[in-house]
Amino acid sequence: GAGVSQSPSNKVTEKGKDVELRCDPISGHTALYWYRQSLGQGLEFLIYFQGNSAPDKSGLPSDRFSAERTGGSVSTLTIQRTQQEDSAVYLCASSLVWRGDETQYFGPGTRLLVL
Amino acid sequence: LAKTTQPISMDSYEGQEVNITCSHNNIATNDYITWYQQFPSQGPRFIIQGYKTKVTNEVASLFIPADRKSSTLSLPRVSLSDTAVYYCLLGDAGNMLTFGGGTRLMVKP
Repeated sequence: GAGVSQSPSNKVTEKGKDVELRCDPISGHTALYWYRQSLGQGLEFLIYFQGNSAPDKSGLPSDRFSAERTGGSVSTLTIQRTQQEDSAVYLCASSLVWRGDETQYFGPGTRLLVL
Repeated sequence: LAKTTQPISMDSYEGQEVNITCSHNNIATNDYITWYQQFPSQGPRFIIQGYKTKVTNEVASLFIPADRKSSTLSLPRVSLSDTAVYYCLLGDAGNMLTFGGGTRLMVKP
């Protein structure tokens, strides 16, 4: 079946603009995760959803970042007033349920460049 | 919050066995240890997972000592296509997920 998809695949924006990144998880997966990966760096965990609920938002880098998930499916990560340090690859993953031992299936990522 | 430490990079040659160790001194009782592989411009993909002792699948083995303060991913007879970044991840329901910084494996001919 279809894997995790993300859009756009690439986004170039100007400093100060808002951006929305979209994630379509694997159908039936109740858990959804957002990560950030700066150039040449490891993965930074941002937030996870169990259904439409995000129990812990402390991983979001600043209050300019927000995420929502509707209908237990699509999720949107919004970055307001983008800064150059927000440039990174934003990866989304989903798993059947929210458990630490559940395999996560990753999407290809959205490459964000803030000029 | 549990923290993981991995070597930044490793080099190997085709046909050799490669062992990558992840240190996690503060692993929680309920944490599982999962390893992911990431190729350039792709998202990570699952390799293997374990809780304790040894786990083996068709691509790798995972060794976890009794104290669980470290884990070692073993790749038998690597090929050029195994060149990638390898991450260890600790996870448990209710915890933040912690990825290691990743180990860049370079396999040479």
